[in-house]
Amino acid sequence: DTEVTQTPKHLVMGMTNKKSLKCEQHMGHRAMYWYKQKAKKPPELMFVYSYEKLSINESVPSRFSPECPNSSLLNLHLHALQPEDSALYLCASMQSDRGSYEQYFGPGTRLTVT
Amino acid sequence: GENVEQHPSTLSVQEGDSAVIKCTYSDSASNYFPWYKQELGKGPQLIIDIRSNVGEKKDQRIAVTLNKTAKHFSLHITETQPEDSAVYFCAAVPTSGTYKYIFGTGTRLKVLA
Repeated sequence: DTEVTQTPKHLVMGMTNKKSLKCEQHMGHRAMYWYKQKAKKPPELMFVYSYEKLSINESVPSRFSPECPNSSLLNLHLHALQPEDSALYLCASMQSDRGSYEQYFGPGTRLTVT
Repeated sequence: GENVEQHPSTLSVQEGDSAVIKCTYSDSASNYFPWYKQELGKGPQLIIDIRSNVGEKKDQRIAVTLNKTAKHFSLHITETQPEDSAVYFCAAVPTSGTYKYIFGTGTRLKVLA
């Protein structure tokens, strides 16, 4: 099973709202990723967690706050977003050891900021 | 910085014909090269990958070739079908350190019935 699940599927929020995106995997993967994808563009890396610790922050604005409560879960907390933050937010996971480099993506959360 | 060039940006083929998408990478430390298919409204799906110690890999109608000297790798789809229509992304990955994926810009493939 190579399934990564994400909730919600769609989210509409105002610029003053606080919301959270959730991601879950049960493959025992130790690295988890958040990507942002704009239309007709490749995924753009935001954050990487490795063994539940934040290992990469690609200079993402502080209105995006990641959290990794345990090895299976990844959250992205959203606050005071801007309309330009509207995009597809993708979660991915990877084994990251034993020579396994495949990343598996979830279906994404389509975020619209009004 | 590291980058991956991907061509063409759009590709239309008749059903049953072959399609080829090419990528060129810059980072010599890249040793793993996955290909993803992304259908409308869905997340990217890993369809095939290749490692730097292999020159070619095939899985049914899909094949990937790698020329590490020239830093080129390509996706070949034979006997295309309408359900192959999607956006395809290549990526180059260094297999040490961060394992950060460097994605190509994507190719929109349309298979015409």
